[in-house]
Amino acid sequence: DVKVTQSSRYLVKRTGEKVFLECVQDMDHENMFWYRQDPGLGLRLIYFSYDVKMKEKGDIPEGYSVSREKKERFSLILESASTNQTSMYLCASSFMRGGQPQHFGDGTRLSIL
Amino acid sequence: ILNVEQSPQSLHVQEGDSTNFTCSFPSSNFYALHWYRWETAKSPEALFVMTLNGDEKKKGRISATLNTKEGYSYLYIKGSQPEDSATYLCAFLSGTYKYIFGTGTRLKVLA
Repeated sequence: DVKVTQSSRYLVKRTGEKVFLECVQDMDHENMFWYRQDPGLGLRLIYFSYDVKMKEKGDIPEGYSVSREKKERFSLILESASTNQTSMYLCASSFMRGGQPQHFGDGTRLSIL
Repeated sequence: ILNVEQSPQSLHVQEGDSTNFTCSFPSSNFYALHWYRWETAKSPEALFVMTLNGDEKKKGRISATLNTKEGYSYLYIKGSQPEDSATYLCAFLSGTYKYIFGTGTRLKVLA
């Protein structure tokens, strides 16, 4: 079974802190994604990566950056956390071939105080 | 801006009832449509990957159909059970790696 592991289920940080959310997958997937889920909105894509050191902006990249130094690991960085970044963050991975299903982690519920 | 809409937003049914939900998506530049089930405190799980107009997929009591020309997909659950309670998400892919997710249909099956 594919395993996508997010480093924390719950995280509380303060405004202005630099926050790292880590995601690791064990299926050698080329694609990795970061989404956020807010009430009343669908999953919104923050960033995705289709290869090591490659990244593409999603729909809401402002205030975030990402790092993919190894194929299995994709990190989301909140450069200076703000209260409007309080949300559920989901990581996903998939094979490169178009249309393949995404496999999701359990999510990180992040609160910025 | 591409928009994916799901209806209804939420649904309560009795155990044993059959039900269906709709996912509407742009009818141009279609590449694939996915259905996911997202149970509380778990991660979303892929149900179906649909790529061809007229596709019908089935997994146990759950099935899905696809009409790419008019831009909709239906998800059906036959004989709903309490364990079917979840949020059902659809995601539209238009030939890039960017999936556009709907807001989901929240299903509650009452015993």
